[in-house]
Amino acid sequence: SQTIHQWPATLVQPVGSPLSLECTVEGTSNPNLYWYRQAAGRGLQLLFYSVGIGQISSEVPQNLSASRPQDRQFILSSKKLLLSDSGFYLCAWRHPGGRVNTEAFFGQGTRLTVV
Amino acid sequence: SQQGEEDPQALSIQEGENATMNCSYKTSINNLQWYRQNSGRGLVHLILIRSNEREKHSGRLRVTLDTSKKSSSLLITASRAADTASYFCAKALSSNDYKLSFGAGTTVTVRA
Repeated sequence: SQTIHQWPATLVQPVGSPLSLECTVEGTSNPNLYWYRQAAGRGLQLLFYSVGIGQISSEVPQNLSASRPQDRQFILSSKKLLLSDSGFYLCAWRHPGGRVNTEAFFGQGTRLTVV
Repeated sequence: SQQGEEDPQALSIQEGENATMNCSYKTSINNLQWYRQNSGRGLVHLILIRSNEREKHSGRLRVTLDTSKKSSSLLITASRAADTASYFCAKALSSNDYKLSFGAGTTVTVRA
């Protein structure tokens, strides 16, 4: 069966510090991978998605970047965090090959607080 | 712009009652999906309904889709305290669209 791991669960970082959140998927190949951010009490904002190694699409201009160094690894990064980067970050995957009639599977999220 | 706007924003009901929430969207879709999120956790998929379907059931959940009105509804029957969560709809726009666009969600509180 497929599983998705996202870590860390919580993170408190000072303004101006770097960020690296990691997400890995097991049990499937060539998944579509996603990073979402959720502000408190709000919906999900799509940040990045990837349909293959090295292929990153950015949805919103921001202080963050994403990379996919391996097929089932998706990393969210920042060189210098801003206070506005605080939020709940969720990684998700969907089945590959543009199969749009599939659901997304989410990790448990990372609560990032920038202080 | 946001695709998939849920209504109401919040809902409080008594255990045993039904809960109904709605989702509207603006452009044509390939399918619409409903998810549940318990506080501080990731989202869990509930039901997917395709654009050529009008109604789907899963246990105590019933989803309808009206493409002419560009809206969907999620009904939870005989609610339980464990149904307390936020519920989101998400749209897949076309067969070439890899994205899922989520709305702001409906927060449901079931009182014992």
